[in-house]
Amino acid sequence: AQSVAQPEDQVNVAEGNPLTVKCTYSVSGNPYLFWYVQYPNRGLQFLLKYITGDNLVKGSYGFEAEFNKSQTSFHLKKPSALVSDSALYFCAVRDGNTGKLIFGQGTTLQVKP
Amino acid sequence: EADIYQTPRYLVIGTGKKITLECSQTMGHDKMYWYQQDPGMELHLIHYSYGVNSTEKGDLSSESTVSRIRTEHFPLTLESARPSHTSQYLCASSEKGHDNSPLHFGNGTRLTVT
Repeated sequence: AQSVAQPEDQVNVAEGNPLTVKCTYSVSGNPYLFWYVQYPNRGLQFLLKYITGDNLVKGSYGFEAEFNKSQTSFHLKKPSALVSDSALYFCAVRDGNTGKLIFGQGTTLQVKP
Repeated sequence: EADIYQTPRYLVIGTGKKITLECSQTMGHDKMYWYQQDPGMELHLIHYSYGVNSTEKGDLSSESTVSRIRTEHFPLTLESARPSHTSQYLCASSEKGHDNSPLHFGNGTRLTVT
């Protein structure tokens, strides 16, 4: 069965420091992987996706993600965190059989000034 | 800005009432989805549609129903609301035939049943 896991409920980082939000996946076949962000009282916004090609994917707001096939991971990164990056982040994988997106449980990112 | 709209944003209603949560998108997307987001913030797919007159139940059992009479409109109905239905409901859409196309989400409806 396809699944995605975000092992950390919350990540705390100081403004200006690099951040990493972790995601691991389990799929049969080629993985289609996504990151979304949710600000308070809003819907989810698409950040970036990995389909094929370069393992380092660049997305919106300076975020990037590194696809690692051997570790089945797709960690979200940013070189320098902003207070405004504080939000809830979801990793997702597309189920190759049904086409549906399977979301992780979410990670709250807290960036302190 | 989002091209997918949900109304109302907030709804407080008494037990036993019938309610309809509205969702409309202007992007011409064939695929539409309803997710329920619980207090722990996990997302659960409760309904989806791949086109007009097509609706399917999602991964989480729900007492709600949906309809898809027009491409742009995907309302969700609860015939008799209960406190256990208190949650945030998120509508989303995506293009048909592109498995790598991202979902576009509305801002959600936060439902409270008293």
